[in-house]
Amino acid sequence: QKEVEQNSGPLSVPEGAIASLNCTYSDRGSQSFFWYRQYSGKSPELIMFIYSNGDKEDGRFTAQLNKASQYVSLLIRDSQPSDSATYLCEADNQGGKLIFGQGTELSVKP
Amino acid sequence: DGGITQSPKYLFRKEGQNVTLSCEQNLNHDAMYWYRQDPGQGLRLIYYSQIVNDFQKGDIAEGYSVSREKKESFPLTVTSAQKNPTAFYLCASSADRVQPQHFGDGTRLSIL
Repeated sequence: QKEVEQNSGPLSVPEGAIASLNCTYSDRGSQSFFWYRQYSGKSPELIMFIYSNGDKEDGRFTAQLNKASQYVSLLIRDSQPSDSATYLCEADNQGGKLIFGQGTELSVKP
Repeated sequence: DGGITQSPKYLFRKEGQNVTLSCEQNLNHDAMYWYRQDPGQGLRLIYYSQIVNDFQKGDIAEGYSVSREKKESFPLTVTSAQKNPTAFYLCASSADRVQPQHFGDGTRLSIL
């Protein structure tokens, strides 16, 4: 079992729809969770971070964390073609490392 | 402006040659990381350092070496033992392991 798992996609949604990106993690001691966006050929950039159970909203983005289910998600409302990118989930582990998932490719169709 | 600078942007390595990728940050971050990314793949951790003069191997450290003599610098050497070095190399830093990472623009390494 991978420490941080994401569906590789591609996930395709129409413009204006809600995109839902999911991530599961195996280390019950993980405390910090991050979502990064990576455009093709570029370096990742931070979208959201979440430390507590529940929802955290920032503009069109909502991060959701459920520690009991070891599940973290990212919702993108009113998806735009410019949101088309690979989204990377990251979690810390008790060994002191930050672990990335494989990433989910999102395609928003006009 | 604070940030991370990686150089060079593109690098070519000859067979049997060691090459060094530079990573400098002025964010006053304690932790620094090196990742490798192959086309269509996720990020794989090569080495990380949580404090000056200390570093740990990541998942794919074989064929690579690092040093952390200064807080702001974390250079990566790709040795001739790394037989398939062609990839996109990313350096990152964070205040500590529970804080978000900031990434440099990356170095693309190819074999001549």
